[in-house]
Amino acid sequence: GAVVSQHPSRVICKSGTSVKIECRSLDFQATTMFWYRQFPKKSLMLMATSNEGSKATYEQGVEKDKFLINHASLTLSTLTVTSAHPEDSSFYICSARRSGTGQETQYFGPGTRLLVL
Amino acid sequence: GESVGLHLPTLSVQEGDNSIINCAYSNSASDYFIWYKQESGKGPQFIIDIRSNMDKRQGQRVTVLLNKTVKHLSLQIAATQPGDSAVYFCAERPSNTGKLIFGQGTTLQVKP
Repeated sequence: GAVVSQHPSRVICKSGTSVKIECRSLDFQATTMFWYRQFPKKSLMLMATSNEGSKATYEQGVEKDKFLINHASLTLSTLTVTSAHPEDSSFYICSARRSGTGQETQYFGPGTRLLVL
Repeated sequence: GESVGLHLPTLSVQEGDNSIINCAYSNSASDYFIWYKQESGKGPQFIIDIRSNMDKRQGQRVTVLLNKTVKHLSLQIAATQPGDSAVYFCAERPSNTGKLIFGQGTTLQVKP
């Protein structure tokens, strides 16, 4: 199988603080990881594409200075929500795509629920 | 604009019956499609995928059908079980990008 983990699974923070979310591919290498945001009863919205060793590519409307992404290794990407506000409260989900030819499927992590007070 | 949508927000079926979940996509350039299952509070779980050079693909109790003429994708679940209750998302990947575009999701409710 292809296992992707996220940490933490749930976090509550005060407004103005920063929160870091980790995404790890446990049994495969992932050159590319993706970060999504999901509101209750809504679909997944792609925020950014994280490429190992290079800068992330952000979707239109996503503030790169607000959502910092680092992909320092083939198994780890991090998303930092800086100066969090209540409107940043959401379910954040990462996915990882296996490195190598023909491996197109994205495998998702279990998600991180962020609540900003 | 690009969009992937689902015809019904909620589908209710009797345990043991077959379920069919539909999806419409709009991007003719999409060449890869995936169905995901998402249970409450969890991340999406891969169910089955299909490339655009295929019309049908079968897995364990699931079948995906692709009709490129009308840009329609469906997921069939045989002998639906209570554990199949979840939200199902279709996703398409335009061939010129590595990204997935998700549909709005269909909630499948299985009645015992």
